[in-house]
Amino acid sequence: AQKITQTQPGMFVQEKEAVTLDCTYDTSDPSYGLFWYKQPSSGEMIFLIYQGSYDQQNATEGRYSLNFQKARKSANLVISASQLGDSAMYFCAMRRISNFGNEKLTFGTGTRLTIIP
Amino acid sequence: KAGVTQTPRYLIKTRGQQVTLSCSPISGHRSVSWYQQTPGQGLQFLFEYFSETQRNKGNFPGRFSGRQFSNSRSEMNVSTLELGDSALYLCASSQKGLESGELFFGEGSRLTVL
Repeated sequence: AQKITQTQPGMFVQEKEAVTLDCTYDTSDPSYGLFWYKQPSSGEMIFLIYQGSYDQQNATEGRYSLNFQKARKSANLVISASQLGDSAMYFCAMRRISNFGNEKLTFGTGTRLTIIP
Repeated sequence: KAGVTQTPRYLIKTRGQQVTLSCSPISGHRSVSWYQQTPGQGLQFLFEYFSETQRNKGNFPGRFSGRQFSNSRSEMNVSTLELGDSALYLCASSQKGLESGELFFGEGSRLTVL
């Protein structure tokens, strides 16, 4: 079974500062993918970044980067130069990678990030 | 490119009724999956459809069912509604074989059961 743990229920960060959202995971699958999603108050889940378990480099997407430490089973999201629009719920998720199509995503409980002007 | 469209966005039902939610995936996406989000249980996987076939199913009772049409549009149905079914129901679409597995979510259908 897969499990995602997000230990920070809420965070307050000053605008323009960098922020790290923690995520640890547990799985026995050798091949898996890790995701971060942002959910604003509208409800839509917005894909931010992806890291494959065999990827050698940490994933980056604009201001988002994923600090992937496979041995420690952690996949922290780093947001650089935070903006007011970054205020939202952030979910870490993972899924097994198989040849049979899209396995289900297992989500963490989320971190509510609030950016302070 | 249009995103994932879910209808209705909001609805209110009473216990015992049934409800049908609709999801139109992004054009060209053949996989549609459904998730339930509640404050208590978080985000939980319901089921996933590809080419009109259910490929994966979560741990939900048989009252929760779904289907997918030839144009990839999907519906989910909940029969004999219970208070605990109040939730945000999210639909996501993706392309088969896309290893990154990037799922594109809709804005959800918020169901309230009274």
